[in-house]
Amino acid sequence: AQSVTQPDIHITVSEGASLELRCNYSYGATPYLFWYVQSPGQGLQLLLKYFSGDTLVQGIKGFEAEFKRSQSSFNLRKPSVHWSDAAEYFCAVGVHNAGNMLTFGGGTRLMVKP
Amino acid sequence: EPEVTQTPSHQVTQMGQEVILRCVPISNHLYFYWYRQILGQKVEFLVSFYNNEISEKSEIFDDQFSVERPDGSNFTLKIRSTKLEDSAMYFCASSESQLATPYEQYFGPGTRLTVT
Repeated sequence: AQSVTQPDIHITVSEGASLELRCNYSYGATPYLFWYVQSPGQGLQLLLKYFSGDTLVQGIKGFEAEFKRSQSSFNLRKPSVHWSDAAEYFCAVGVHNAGNMLTFGGGTRLMVKP
Repeated sequence: EPEVTQTPSHQVTQMGQEVILRCVPISNHLYFYWYRQILGQKVEFLVSFYNNEISEKSEIFDDQFSVERPDGSNFTLKIRSTKLEDSAMYFCASSESQLATPYEQYFGPGTRLTVT
C-alpha cells in the first residue's frame, strides 16, 4: 500500500525568504503526486500535480515542486514567501485504479514571520 | 470558477443519531469521493463513487456509512448511528474521469461533524 511522509510538522520562515516543504512517498509504481493547501476554515486547494513528463512542475501562487524518483520525494518550493502563504500544506499520492483514492501525508503547518 | 459545495458547514448531533452530509460536486465531474480529517490527524479516504456505485472504500467505511447520488446534482454521505469517534471534518471531492489519466480531485470546504 502507498504511504506519504511529511517529516516537518511545523515550519516557520520569514516573509520574503525561500521555502521548501519535504514530502516522501512509498509506492511500488510511478505515483501520481499532488500538493494541496488548506487555509484555516477552508477546504483543500490544489497547488500542483505531477503525472508524468517534466519532473519540475509549476503550480499556482508561485509554487513549484520537483519529482525525484531516486529519492522518492516530491518537495514543494517557493522562492519568496508571502504572509498569505501561512497555511497547512498536504502532499498526496494518487493511485490510478478504479477508486482513484488519494493518500495524504500528515501535513506541514507553515507560519510566516513579518 | 466551478466549485464543490457542502452543507451544512457544521453539524452537531447526539451519539446514536443518523446524519446526512450533503455535497454538490462540480457539474461535469463523474467521480465523487468522501474523505475525513479527525482533528490533528491526516486526511483519510473513505469512499469513491462512479456510475452510481462504490468504486473503492476504505476500512473506515463500514456498514454504518452509506453514500448516494439521489439526483443529478447531489452526493450524500449517511452515517446511520453516529459514534463519538465519528467527530471529524468531512470533505467531499469530485474529479473528471478519463481512462488514461487520473484527474485531480477538487475538494469542498468541508462539514465539521461534532458528535456529543
